[in-house]
Amino acid sequence: GQQVMQIPQYQHVQEGEDFTTYCNSSTTLSNIQWYKQRPGGHPVFLIQLVKSGEVKKQKRLTFQFGEAKKNSSLHITATQTTDVGTYFCAAEGGTSYGKLTFGQGTILTVHP
Amino acid sequence: DGGITQSPKYLFRKEGQNVTLSCEQNLNHDAMYWYRQDPGQGLRLIYYSQIVNDFQKGDIAEGYSVSREKKESFPLTVTSAQKNPTAFYLCASGLAGEETQYFGPGTRLLVL
Repeated sequence: GQQVMQIPQYQHVQEGEDFTTYCNSSTTLSNIQWYKQRPGGHPVFLIQLVKSGEVKKQKRLTFQFGEAKKNSSLHITATQTTDVGTYFCAAEGGTSYGKLTFGQGTILTVHP
Repeated sequence: DGGITQSPKYLFRKEGQNVTLSCEQNLNHDAMYWYRQDPGQGLRLIYYSQIVNDFQKGDIAEGYSVSREKKESFPLTVTSAQKNPTAFYLCASGLAGEETQYFGPGTRLLVL
């Protein structure tokens, strides 16, 4: 089945530092989504990227989809303590329409 | 209030018992999903349903069963055959034709 690899698994930063998490697939993806899960909470949809080379921004968050549509990244500029949580990428699962395959997630800790 | 609800929030089970986790949505979503999340890990798909009275196995269906008799409801039964059931169970739903998924608050299952 489709696999999506996400790195790093953990990231500790000082408040104000930047943060990036990467998602890679061996196969071309039709689209990729990003979710955030706060500690003790449930995943919440952030954004979907569809086009090759697409870049989208949400305030301090920048999402990129690679030109080959095999990788994606989420970059947070000047992290804040409210950014703490686990960030997941998710891709549609091959031939199973509507089925998502999630990356392992990156757990972000922000030290004040 | 529109949304997706799961109950109970915490569930304790004795070894050898079957337990059923509830998932209800009033978003008029066609598709519903069950995921399992273990500490520090990503989401693994247990079962999913794209339409009433139909469902498919996900990546880790062994030891679980589901039903989809109503559009709004997608209960998950964790059977005694599931050897390591202690985990955080997340239900999600989405519109047909769209990959975005909306998650419920989750149920934490602990086997005593």
